[in-house]
Amino acid sequence: QKEVEQNSGPLSVPEGAIASLNCTYSDRGSQSFFWYRQYSGKSPELIMFIYSNGDKEDGRFTAQLNKASQYVSLLIRDSQPSDSATYLCARGSSNDYKLSFGAGTTVTVRA
Amino acid sequence: EAGVTQSPTHLIKTRGQQATLRCSPISGHTSVYWYQQALGLGLQFLLWYDEGEERNRGNFPPRFSGRQFPNYSSELNVNALELEDSALYLCASSFGANSPLHFGNGTRLTVT
Repeated sequence: QKEVEQNSGPLSVPEGAIASLNCTYSDRGSQSFFWYRQYSGKSPELIMFIYSNGDKEDGRFTAQLNKASQYVSLLIRDSQPSDSATYLCARGSSNDYKLSFGAGTTVTVRA
Repeated sequence: EAGVTQSPTHLIKTRGQQATLRCSPISGHTSVYWYQQALGLGLQFLLWYDEGEERNRGNFPPRFSGRQFPNYSSELNVNALELEDSALYLCASSFGANSPLHFGNGTRLTVT
């Protein structure tokens, strides 16, 4: 079982719509969760991090964490063509000293 | 604030040679991580250094090694290069476990 699994892509959404990205993780001891955006040929950049159950909003982005279901998601509201990228989910724990990444979901926003 | 810096940007080596990649973390960050991203693949965890010590390593052979210096900068060494080592090598830094990682621009290693 992979440590972090993301919903398979690619995901295509029209401009202005909501893009929904999902991620599940296997280690119940996971304590921290991150979403990164990676444009083609570039390095990942941090979008959001969440540590507690519930929702966390930052501008057009909302992260949702449900530790009981071992599930974290990212919503992108009012999607823009500039949001077209690969989104990486990651989990961390002070137990294993590493940040594990999912394979990523590629999002394309159609103008 | 300067971000994570990596050098060189590109590196071309021949199979069997050794490669050395360098990374300077964000000021104040004590943890440095190395990841490998082969073309079209996800980020594979290589190494984690914190306060000069290797805290964890991923599922890579021993010819992948590194170290962290007293100023928290880090070096990744890859010995006996193989063609499949061709990838983007990303360095990231953070304040420690459970803190967000901030990535450098990476070193593109090509092994011919």
